[in-house]
Amino acid sequence: AQKVTQAQTEISVVEKEDVTLDCVYETRDTTYYLFWYKQPPSGELVFLIRRNSFDEQNEISGRYSWNFQKSTSSFNFTITASQVVDSAVYFCALRGYNTDKLIFGTGTRLQVFP
Amino acid sequence: GAGVSQSPRYKVAKRGQDVALRCDPISGHVSLFWYQQALGQGPEFLTYFQNEAQLDKSGLPSDRFFAERPEGSVSTLKIQRTQQEDSAVYLCASSLASTGTAYEQYFGPGTRLTVT
Repeated sequence: AQKVTQAQTEISVVEKEDVTLDCVYETRDTTYYLFWYKQPPSGELVFLIRRNSFDEQNEISGRYSWNFQKSTSSFNFTITASQVVDSAVYFCALRGYNTDKLIFGTGTRLQVFP
Repeated sequence: GAGVSQSPRYKVAKRGQDVALRCDPISGHVSLFWYQQALGQGPEFLTYFQNEAQLDKSGLPSDRFFAERPEGSVSTLKIQRTQQEDSAVYLCASSLASTGTAYEQYFGPGTRLTVT
C-alpha cells in the first residue's frame, strides 16, 4: 500500500522566518515519484516539484529547497525567508511507477504573518 | 498557454438531482484525471483517462459516479442522484505523459459542489 503522512496540520511563522514542512511516505515500489503542490486560497493546486526515487540530489529553487532521503522515506520542503504570499496549504504526493494516481497527504496549512 | 479549465466553478444541487462537471485539459495532454477533495483533506483519486480510454476507475465511490472523455479531449464527470456526502471540490488534472514515465499532473481550479 502507498501512503503519505504530513504530520504538521498547521504552521504559523512570522515573515522572514525559515520553515520546514515534513513529508513521510510509504511504498513498496522500487521506482516512484514524489511531488509537492501548493494550494493557495483560490483553490487551484500549483505544481512545485517532482522528484524521482533514483535521484537523491537535493534541489534548490530560489527560496524553496527540498531534502529527499530514501533512508528515512522523507521528502521535506523548506522555505527560506518566508513571505506572506507563501501562505497556503502545501501537499506532498506520491505516485508509483506502474500507477497513475497521485496519493496525497492531508496537507500542511502554512500561515505567514507580516 | 492556457491551463486546465473547469466549469462550473460552483454548483449547488438539491439532493437527488443529477449534475455534470466539465473539464478542458491542456491542449495535447493525453492523460486526464479526476480527484475529489473534501474540506480539510487532500485530493483523492477518482478516475483516469488515457486519450478516450478510461484505464482506471477504481476511485469512483459508487455507481452514481460516471466519467467520460469521448474524443480524448474534454471530459465530463456526472453524478446521478446527488447525496449530501457528494459535497466536495472536484479537481481535474491533465498531463502530457502516462504510466511508467516521470511526469507531473497540472490541476484546474476545481468545481465546488454543494448538495443541499
